[in-house]
Amino acid sequence: DQQVKQNSPSLSVQEGRISILNCDYTNSMFDYFLWYKKYPAEGPTFLISISSIKDKNEDGRFTVFLNKSAKHLSLHIVPSQPGDSAVYFCAARGGNAGNMLTFGGGTRLMVKP
Amino acid sequence: DVKVTQSSRYLVKRTGEKVFLECVQDMDHENMFWYRQDPGLGLRLIYFSYDVKMKEKGDIPEGYSVSREKKERFSLILESASTNQTSMYLCASNPGTGVRFFGPGTRLTVT
Repeated sequence: DQQVKQNSPSLSVQEGRISILNCDYTNSMFDYFLWYKKYPAEGPTFLISISSIKDKNEDGRFTVFLNKSAKHLSLHIVPSQPGDSAVYFCAARGGNAGNMLTFGGGTRLMVKP
Repeated sequence: DVKVTQSSRYLVKRTGEKVFLECVQDMDHENMFWYRQDPGLGLRLIYFSYDVKMKEKGDIPEGYSVSREKKERFSLILESASTNQTSMYLCASNPGTGVRFFGPGTRLTVT
């Protein structure tokens, strides 16, 4: 049973527009959420995170929104650039897993020039 | 800059072979992890280690073992490789909680 789900396996966006990547979770005990970005043939790199006590965190072009009541988080990229084309994973920490991270299945973002 | 290195980027092994995947981190992190990444399944934790000679099973430990003889090195062992272990293997480390620093990955093909 996947506790963290990314329901869109892929997303295609025009350069300059907004990219919105979504992530849903089922465990209300998760207290910290992260987004990782992965290029082919490279390991994932940390992008941005948010604590469950906040509902928004911003870092440059990247903003993560957390809706605890809906158990939903989203990553907004504005404006999208071709270099943003990658697989994005959301991850959650806490609950029964303690310090462990539970990852979603990933969303492949393609930003077209 | 944290650096996590993995011994091989690509490996091809035959069914039944014993396979060693090596991982080294240079930041004196206590925690090290082995994940596998498969399409649509995200990253799944195989094993992790909080300290030298300590190991804990993750979500999918069957068919794998690990060794941590030195703080900077964490090895993943496939005792008898099978085709369903064809995957991307990712090593990670972190000093405490939260953010993991990942290596570049090893794409293993078992034929």
